[in-house]
Amino acid sequence: TAGITQAPTSQILAAGRSMTLRCTQDMRHNAMYWYRQDLGLGLRLIHYSNTAGTTGKGEVPDGYSVSRANTDDFPLTLASAVPSQTSVYFCASSDSPGQGADTQYFGPGTRLTVL
Amino acid sequence: GQNIDQPTEMTATEGAIVQINCTYQTSGFNGLFWYQQHAGEAPTFLSYNVLDGLEEKGRFSSFLSRSKGYSYLLLKELQMKDSASYLCAVRDNDYKLSFGAGTTVTVRA
Repeated sequence: TAGITQAPTSQILAAGRSMTLRCTQDMRHNAMYWYRQDLGLGLRLIHYSNTAGTTGKGEVPDGYSVSRANTDDFPLTLASAVPSQTSVYFCASSDSPGQGADTQYFGPGTRLTVL
Repeated sequence: GQNIDQPTEMTATEGAIVQINCTYQTSGFNGLFWYQQHAGEAPTFLSYNVLDGLEEKGRFSSFLSRSKGYSYLLLKELQMKDSASYLCAVRDNDYKLSFGAGTTVTVRA
């Protein structure tokens, strides 16, 4: 079982360019999430989607957009990248957000460097 | 919002016990999670507490006191493979997780 896949694994991007980070899950989970992880700050939620067709803003949404056209895919787009968006990006999914021990499963991450 | 504090680093000897504390101040509480993250890898789920008390799962145990805004993760019989970062996370009433910065545990032989 693949679980969650992310692409690319790593990327160097020029400031001002746009980029889409891809995330796909094969567990038919309802909810999906995008986090960024920076040294000393831990994981911070960027955007989330509790079900296909809906999205919401997390703690640090500025400069990012998402869409959830179907259950499996949850792409994250940087419209005009800035150096402060240099980070490791993790996608996650969960089956039933908020219910009991609803566990989030994380993808392998995308390491993005904006120069 | 959420404010979640945990120590930055801890070091322990193989076979020993280590306790990682986590304190939180939240605008809503709907469960506390612990995740393990090895260097360069994705976080993986370890434990979940929503009621006060101790949850035991093999060598790992997690404790919660909601009135004190306090949790700890106890790692027993430490092994070299336990060297990792341990992330405390609180779920709010909107079902979103907020993570602490993580505690890096180094196990020495």
